[in-house]
Amino acid sequence: EPEVTQTPSHQVTQMGQEVILRCVPISNHLYFYWYRQILGQKVEFLVSFYNNEISEKSEIFDDQFSVERPDGSNFTLKIRSTKLEDSAMYFCASRVGQLGTQYFGPGTRLLVL
Amino acid sequence: AQKVTQVQTEISVVEKEDVTLDCVYETRDTTYYLFWYKQPPSGELVFLIRRNSFDEQNEISGRYSWNFQKSTSSFNFTITASQVVDSAVYFCALSEAGTGANSKLTFGKGITLSVRP
Repeated sequence: EPEVTQTPSHQVTQMGQEVILRCVPISNHLYFYWYRQILGQKVEFLVSFYNNEISEKSEIFDDQFSVERPDGSNFTLKIRSTKLEDSAMYFCASRVGQLGTQYFGPGTRLLVL
Repeated sequence: AQKVTQVQTEISVVEKEDVTLDCVYETRDTTYYLFWYKQPPSGELVFLIRRNSFDEQNEISGRYSWNFQKSTSSFNFTITASQVVDSAVYFCALSEAGTGANSKLTFGKGITLSVRP
């Protein structure tokens, strides 16, 4: 069964460093998302992406964040200068159609020291 | 604005007990979708069910059942004869169809279910 994959599973970085989180959505899916979950808290929407552009972004998704679909398979989230408060689990999700179910990857646990 | 409320934060039951997880939602859209996701200790989010706002028929899948009531804006989830493997955090989520391509998910805070042997 096709699934969303994410790499790395864990990443530790120093404050101020840039990180890139990678996702490979399900191959025939057209809509892509990033969410984050701070430890012990609820899952929060960051950004949605369709047709090679951002559809919507939340207040969390400030200028330090960017997304890209560099080729036909990868979908990346970049944090330019990480802060301590960026420590969280980051989930990628994709769905096939406009009203389809979103399927989530296993997440990348980011720790900023 | 869409909102999902899960009032229960932690529930602990003994194996084989039935347990109901509550979910209340708010939306101004007439067309929307409701979801339940399971997050086991390993951390991934596992899709369990999706209902659209036009289908209030209750659904049963094995030991799982869902009760959707538009009149009370609730979408409750019952596990019958709970098992230790059901121990996880359960999230209810809402997506408004009116937002089109965006259709982001808004999650509740989650309910931590512990099933003791």
